[in-house]
This record gives sequence, structure tokens and C-alpha cells, in this order.
Amino acid sequence: AQTVTQSQPEMSVQEAETVTLSCTYDTSENNYYLFWYKQPPSRQMILVIRQEAYKQQNATENRFSVNFQKAAKSFSLKISDSQLGDTAMYFCAFMRGSTLGRLYFGRGTQLTVWP
Amino acid sequence: GAVVSQHPSRVICKSGTSVKIECRSLDFQATTMFWYRQFPKQSLMLMATSNEGSKATYEQGVEKDKFLINHASLTLSTLTVTSAHPEDSSFYICSAQDRVNEQFFGPGTRLTVL
Repeated sequence: AQTVTQSQPEMSVQEAETVTLSCTYDTSENNYYLFWYKQPPSRQMILVIRQEAYKQQNATENRFSVNFQKAAKSFSLKISDSQLGDTAMYFCAFMRGSTLGRLYFGRGTQLTVWP
Repeated sequence: GAVVSQHPSRVICKSGTSVKIECRSLDFQATTMFWYRQFPKQSLMLMATSNEGSKATYEQGVEKDKFLINHASLTLSTLTVTSAHPEDSSFYICSAQDRVNEQFFGPGTRLTVL
């Protein structure tokens, strides 16, 4: 079974600052994908960033970047220049390469960006 | 990005009745759709995988007779909560996967069973 652990239930950061959200996972698979999703108060799930396990290079999407440490099974999300609109619940998710589409989510981290 | 809709967005029903929730991919064909359940302030739990033209695959612990899933076309999957009880009250979210395995989420349906 795959497990995804987010050890920070809540985080807060001041606008324009940088924050890092932690995620670890456990799997015996070698082919998998990792994701960070954002769920704002509207409850709409939004994909933030995606990382393929076979890629050594860390994924980057504008202000969002990940630190993917495969050996340590760690997948943290760094948000630079935080904006008020980044306030949301952030979920780390795992997908096996053999069962594409089935996502397993962590418990989430509620991020609040303060002005 | 692609759009996935859910209907209704909110539903309140009496205990013992059945409720149907629709999930539609509006601008792409989805061979696979997924149904999740989310309790307040908790994570999304995958309930089942819905494949067009075949039976759904349920995750362990999910009652298939309780949560009926039908994926009749490449753009529509339905989840029917049968004989609903208060403990079935939750936020139900669907997602649809396109042909390049990108996954898009619907806005969710809040079910309240009285």
C-alpha cells in the first residue's frame, strides 16, 4: 500500500515570503508520479505541480518548485513570493505508474498567507 | 485546462432515499473517471475508478452496492448513493482523466442526509 504523509497540519507565511510544505511517501514502486494539489475555500482541486519519479530534475512552475529526494522518499513544495491567493489547503498526492489515475492523498496542510 | 462539472453542487435528502450525482467532462473524452469522498477538514479518499463501458473498480472498504457507479459514455459518470444515511453525508468529488492521463477535478457535491 502507498502512504503519503504531510506532517504539518497548518502553516502560515507573510506575503512575499517563502514557505516550504513537507511531504513524505512510502512505496515499493519504482515508477510513480507525485503531485501537489491546492484546494482553496471554493473546494475546487487545482494541480500545482507534478513530478515524475524517473526525472532527477526538480519540477518548477513559476513561483512553485519542489525538492524531490527519491532515496529519502521526500517531496516538499516551496512557494516563493507568497501571495494572498495562495491561501488554501495543499495536498501531496501519489500515483503509481502501473495504475495511472488513481491518486492517493496526504492529509493536507492548511496554508495561510498574511498581508 | 479542461473542465469537469458536477451536478448537483449541493443536495439534501431524507434518510433512506437514493441520490444521484453526475460528473461530466465538458470539452474532452474521459475513458476513466474517479470518485472521491472528502470529510470536513480531511483528505480526499479514493472510492472507485469508473471506466467507460465496464464495471467500476472499488477501493477496499467501499461498499459497491451502496455506491453505485455508472460510466455510460465518454463524458458522463454517475454516482448513486443508495438508501442514504446520515453517515453518508460528505463532500463527493469526481475527476476525469483524458487520453494523455491528465486528470481534472470537478467542483464537488455536498451531500447532506437528514
